[in-house]
Amino acid sequence: DAGVIQSPRHEVTEMGQEVTLRCKPISGHDYLFWYRQTMMRGLELLIYFNNNVPIDDSGMPEDRFSAKMPNASFSTLKIQPSEPRDSAVYFCASSPIAGSTGELFFGEGSRLTVL
Amino acid sequence: AQKVTQAQTEISVVEKEDVTLDCVYETRDTTYYLFWYKQPPSGELVFLIRRNSFDEQNEISGRYSWNFQKSTSSFNFTITASQVVDSAVYFCALSLSGYSTLTFGKGTMLLVSP
Repeated sequence: DAGVIQSPRHEVTEMGQEVTLRCKPISGHDYLFWYRQTMMRGLELLIYFNNNVPIDDSGMPEDRFSAKMPNASFSTLKIQPSEPRDSAVYFCASSPIAGSTGELFFGEGSRLTVL
Repeated sequence: AQKVTQAQTEISVVEKEDVTLDCVYETRDTTYYLFWYKQPPSGELVFLIRRNSFDEQNEISGRYSWNFQKSTSSFNFTITASQVVDSAVYFCALSLSGYSTLTFGKGTMLLVSP
């Protein structure tokens, strides 16, 4: 079975450019999570969806960040305009049930570098 | 608010040594779940174990064992006879009942040399 698929794996862009990260969750999983990993702050939850509906976006840093889940098999995380401090690894994870009782299945991450 | 502390930033051991990774958590809730995840050099996070707050039994899985002590709010992870393939960053995480999100510690990087 395919795991969580993220693209691109690596993205290098210049400050001010728009960045779109993509995620395909595991089929049948109702929950989708976007996390960001940096050396300074570790793993931070940005937003999560349940059945394609955003439930908690309190972790989204600011209005430059937006996330969508138009259907059960696809989600995007968009940064516009990007800034150097957005450089991080962005992980998508999915879960068949709520995270407190079920494990999260993570993708391999998208490493973003903003110059 | 809940918090997870992994005080050890990096640990280096030689193959076959035993190593314990510490995890201390904070929460006022009585029902919660604790997790350990492994992040190998390839980058993805891999689930290792989940524990609920009502189950303080220690668990052993092969060379891995976990020690959960509510009295000290700790959930430590021990690798016996470490191997080079155990080299990774290990994360401890906490989730509250009724919530879907995990709060992660900063992680401990384990380096096992031959």
